Amino acid sequence: QVQLQESGPGLVKPSQTLSLTCTVSGDSISRGGYYWSWIRQHPGRGLEWIGYIYHTGHTYYNPSLKSRITISLDTSKNQFPLKLTSVTAADTAVYYCARVGPLGDCNNTSCYSFEYWGQGTLVTVSS
Amino acid sequence: QSVLTQPPSVSGAPGQRVTISCTGSSSNIGAGYDVHWYQQLPGTAPKVLMYGNNNRPSGVPDRFSGSKSGTSASLAISGLQAEDEADYYCQSYDSSLSGSVFGGGTKLTVL
Repeated sequence: QVQLQESGPGLVKPSQTLSLTCTVSGDSISRGGYYWSWIRQHPGRGLEWIGYIYHTGHTYYNPSLKSRITISLDTSKNQFPLKLTSVTAADTAVYYCARVGPLGDCNNTSCYSFEYWGQGTLVTVSS
Repeated sequence: QSVLTQPPSVSGAPGQRVTISCTGSSSNIGAGYDVHWYQQLPGTAPKVLMYGNNNRPSGVPDRFSGSKSGTSASLAISGLQAEDEADYYCQSYDSSLSGSVFGGGTKLTVL
């Protein structure tokens, strides 16, 4: 069973860098066929896709956040960290990590869905 | 402002049928990309409820059904039960963003 777990500081000061880690168990992030993603949910609001990374290290970022995001792979620990720079109060949200892959007879990445999710971690940006 | 548009809320009495719409554009749903639906129970992470427009993962009751037409998709829930009270999100791929897009979410209240 694939499991994901987010970890990192729950409080970040404005203008600083938010750093979170997603630890994966039950699968290897080095294995092809899946993307590893970050999603966030502002308090009381909907889901926002942040970006994803493939096992090759190729990344895809939400254009609205692209200038501030870095998603990477740490294959030795089976983790994929997220860094978000220059945070403001608008970055306060629950951050989720997820595995993105094919369900059913999906045979290309455009039909991939967010199959497995972590429990989420609340990050508050405040001084 | 979400790329995919959903009604903020829907409600129905136990046993009734409700539908939740998800409206996109020519760069996502209208381009033929699959729509997936997620159910988020209070205080929990979303989970896949429907994938590939109208396919249920194992364990999801057949009271849930999905459809897609043109630039829109719908999730129907029949025989409403109290346990269905949750937030529901649609999701697709957007070619102009080269990534995933979500709807703003719909809160289902079982009266």
